[in-house]
Amino acid sequence: EPEVTQTPSHQVTQMGQEVILRCVPISNHLYFYWYRQILGQKVEFLVSFYNNEISEKSEIFDDQFSVERPDGSNFTLKIRSTKLEDSAMYFCASTPVVTYGYTFGSGTRLTVV
Amino acid sequence: GESVGLHLPTLSVQEGDNSIINCAYSNSASDYFIWYKQESGKGPQFIIDIRSNMDKRQGQRVTVLLNKTVKHLSLQIAATQPGDSAVYFCAENIDNTDKLIFGTGTRLQVFP
Repeated sequence: EPEVTQTPSHQVTQMGQEVILRCVPISNHLYFYWYRQILGQKVEFLVSFYNNEISEKSEIFDDQFSVERPDGSNFTLKIRSTKLEDSAMYFCASTPVVTYGYTFGSGTRLTVV
Repeated sequence: GESVGLHLPTLSVQEGDNSIINCAYSNSASDYFIWYKQESGKGPQFIIDIRSNMDKRQGQRVTVLLNKTVKHLSLQIAATQPGDSAVYFCAENIDNTDKLIFGTGTRLQVFP
C-alpha cells in the first residue's frame, strides 16, 4: 500500500536554529499538507499546498514557516528560527484530490531545547 | 504518536464485543468527515469517511453514522480485536476549505 514517508523520525534542535522536515508524498497525489500535534493537544492544520503554491494556511503558519516542493517527489517544511513552543509531532499528508482520502505519514517528532 | 499525556476519554471493551466511539463536531458547514486510528509512534491511519449527503457508510468491520441534526458522528467497530487498541480521532472538513479539523480523540482498550 502506498505510504507517505517522513524523515527524520526524531529531530532535536537548539532554540533559534533552522530545521527542515522532509516528506515524500504518495506519487500520484496532487495536494500536500502539514499538520502538527503538540503533546497533550489536538492535531492542528498548518498549511496546504497545491500546484506549487500555498492554497491555505492557519494562523500558526507565520513568517517563521515555509514550505517547498523542491523536486517532483519531496515536500518540505522549514522553520527558520525554532522556538521552544515549536516542539511537537509534525505530520505530512497528501491526497489525490482535495478533501478526499488524506494519507498521513508517521510524523517527525521535533524537540527544541 | 502524540497520544501520550493526552487526558483522553477511554473506552474499554472485551475482545469480540462491538465498540461505539462517538464524536461531536463543531461546524454545520462541514461536509466531509473521516475517522482515523492512531497507534503509538505512528501517524493517523485512515479508517473510513463519509460525506454529508449520507447518514451511514459501512466498511470492513466498521460503520460510520452521521447525524447532521445534532452534529454527531459515531464509529462502530464490530467484533473488536486486540489490534484495534489505539486512539481514534474524528476529523471534519468545512466546505470550500482544504483543512481537516480534528477532535480530541478516544482511547480504545481491548482486553481479552
